Amino acid sequence: LAKTTQPISMDSYEGQEVNITCSHNNIATNDYITWYQRFPSQGPRFIIQGYKTKVTNEVASLFIPADRKSSTLSLPRVSLSDTAVYYCLVVTYGQNFVFGPGTRLSVLP
Amino acid sequence: ETGVTQTPRHLVMGMTNKKSLKCEQHLGHNAMYWYKQSAKKPLELMFVYNFKEQTENNSVPSRFSPECPNSSHLFLHLHTLQPEDSALYLCASSQPPQNRVGPNEQFFGPGTRLTVL
Repeated sequence: LAKTTQPISMDSYEGQEVNITCSHNNIATNDYITWYQRFPSQGPRFIIQGYKTKVTNEVASLFIPADRKSSTLSLPRVSLSDTAVYYCLVVTYGQNFVFGPGTRLSVLP
Repeated sequence: ETGVTQTPRHLVMGMTNKKSLKCEQHLGHNAMYWYKQSAKKPLELMFVYNFKEQTENNSVPSRFSPECPNSSHLFLHLHTLQPEDSALYLCASSQPPQNRVGPNEQFFGPGTRLTVL
């Protein structure tokens, strides 16, 4: 299983764009990169997933360079309600999700 | 609200008790999971069920006994637990991997906070 490394915490202000980078140097050919968000007292919630290049949905963008050894989750114009823990996972086609400690994002007014 | 419910939300039990955690989903999923999160540790996958059959057991002690009577319900039976088993237990569901590219999104319940005295 590919190991991921991401910052333990980040601070931002309302209205700013936030970029959280995840390193996964030993990612395998069949692995996908998926990001989850978690609020206190709740289970994780899916944000976005990708294999290569760029993926965008209504809440975030995911940038994956050609070598796929890292990925960046981009949250446009964050609000206070985006304060949460963000998890980067590398998952082979399958179900064995390995969650790390995640990045604790604090959005300040 | 994710469509995955767990009961009870909180449970306190003694080491000699037998209790069960329940998870229910009406999302039409055929895969269900139990995860455990101990204090200051990451979420750990315990069990995976696909179409009611257990397909993964991540070296979980036998004092935790899962049961999946149908695709909508998942139980975790607990007996003779230890204080170090106190943790948050999360259930999740998804479509199982079929002829689909990439892992399927998992939908998590709110969890059961278990305290073993």
